[in-house]
Amino acid sequence: AQSVTQLGSHVSVSEGALVLLRCNYSSSVPPYLFWYVQYPNQGLQLLLKYTTGATLVKGINGFEAEFKKSETSFHLTKPSAHMSDAAEYFCAVTSNRDDKIIFGKGTRLHILP
Amino acid sequence: DAMVIQNPRYQVTQFGKPVTLSCSQTLNHNVMYWYQQKSSQAPKLLFHYYDKDFNNEADTPDNFQSRRPNTSFCFLDIRSPGLGDAAMYLCATSRQLDVWAEQYFGPGTRLTVT
Repeated sequence: AQSVTQLGSHVSVSEGALVLLRCNYSSSVPPYLFWYVQYPNQGLQLLLKYTTGATLVKGINGFEAEFKKSETSFHLTKPSAHMSDAAEYFCAVTSNRDDKIIFGKGTRLHILP
Repeated sequence: DAMVIQNPRYQVTQFGKPVTLSCSQTLNHNVMYWYQQKSSQAPKLLFHYYDKDFNNEADTPDNFQSRRPNTSFCFLDIRSPGLGDAAMYLCATSRQLDVWAEQYFGPGTRLTVT
């Protein structure tokens, strides 16, 4: 069965600092991986996804993530945090053998002034 | 330019009193999903519609039902809400059923059961 683990339910970074949100997955077949963001009082929005091809994936709002098969990871990064990045971030996994995506529990990102 | 709309945003119901949550979309997407998200937990898929075809997840309780009268609307009915059903309910849509397709989420309805 597929699963995804997000390390850290809360992460705080200073404005302008590097953002790193960690995600590890478990899958017996090649995975499809996603990062979704949920701003306060809004629905989830796709940030980026990896299906096949280039392992470094660029998304919206300056975020990117790198698929590392050897580490079963898909960590989300942004070089310089902005106050508007404060939100909850969900990593998710699926595959072409599945009919749904499995979400992680989420990481709430706090930006310190 | 709202794309996936959920009403109401907050719903309070009494233990055992049927409640209906509403979702509508302006995207004309074929697929509509309902997720349950409890505090500090991952969203959990309850069921989805591909057009008029209904697909229930194996572990979704019978207490949860859904209706999709047309492409734009989908309803979640909870026949006899229990205290354990208090959660955020998220509606999502996608253009196609492929698992890699982007899902578009509504803002959610937070259900309180008293």
